[in-house]
Amino acid sequence: DGGITQSPKYLFRKEGQNVTLSCEQNLNHDAMYWYRQDPGQGLRLIYYSQIVNDFQKGDIAEGYSVSREKKESFPLTVTSAQKNPTAFYLCASSRVSVTGELFFGEGSRLTVL
Amino acid sequence: DQQVKQNSPSLSVQEGRISILNCDYTNSMFDYFLWYKKYPAEGPTFLISISSIKDKNEDGRFTVFLNKSAKHLSLHIVPSQPGDSAVYFCAASAKGAGKSTFGDGTTLTVKP
Repeated sequence: DGGITQSPKYLFRKEGQNVTLSCEQNLNHDAMYWYRQDPGQGLRLIYYSQIVNDFQKGDIAEGYSVSREKKESFPLTVTSAQKNPTAFYLCASSRVSVTGELFFGEGSRLTVL
Repeated sequence: DQQVKQNSPSLSVQEGRISILNCDYTNSMFDYFLWYKKYPAEGPTFLISISSIKDKNEDGRFTVFLNKSAKHLSLHIVPSQPGDSAVYFCAASAKGAGKSTFGDGTTLTVKP
């Protein structure tokens, strides 16, 4: 079945460590996104990419990095520079079109110990 | 400055009644609006959308209304069912922007 796969679903990290969240899609979508959700808040955009080998910062990119070497993959690295990394991270993809409808993965919950 | 606002964090309705979820936006460049539904520990799923050239879009029990002059949209669910209990996010996008801006969500509880 087509969809978006995020891994791991749960991740624990010690302060000062970098961690990479995986996001793979087989929907043949051109655009991919990373959002962060905190309790009681909406989804805030971290990074997005509309084409391979190109990506743009979202609203809260500081402390994060991404790569887009393949159309199917858009990994997110949470670096030690991110001051408050504990959150629920959501990856999404879409066709590049005027509708902008997003297809989301199941999410990854990162907890910093 | 939050460009998409959902001012009601929660809403509780009785099964069979109408649920009305509201959303306001400030950016006049937004021309496409979407509603997503989210269950705990899952990713959101697309529910319904509306283009700025329309003022209403209907899909089964779900209807979205857009009032461009007021920069306001609403999602109506009729009749509400217990399975509709979830967090509902309003999102908006501008043509060519390549990204969506989300509100903080409204938690809907439908009581049997």
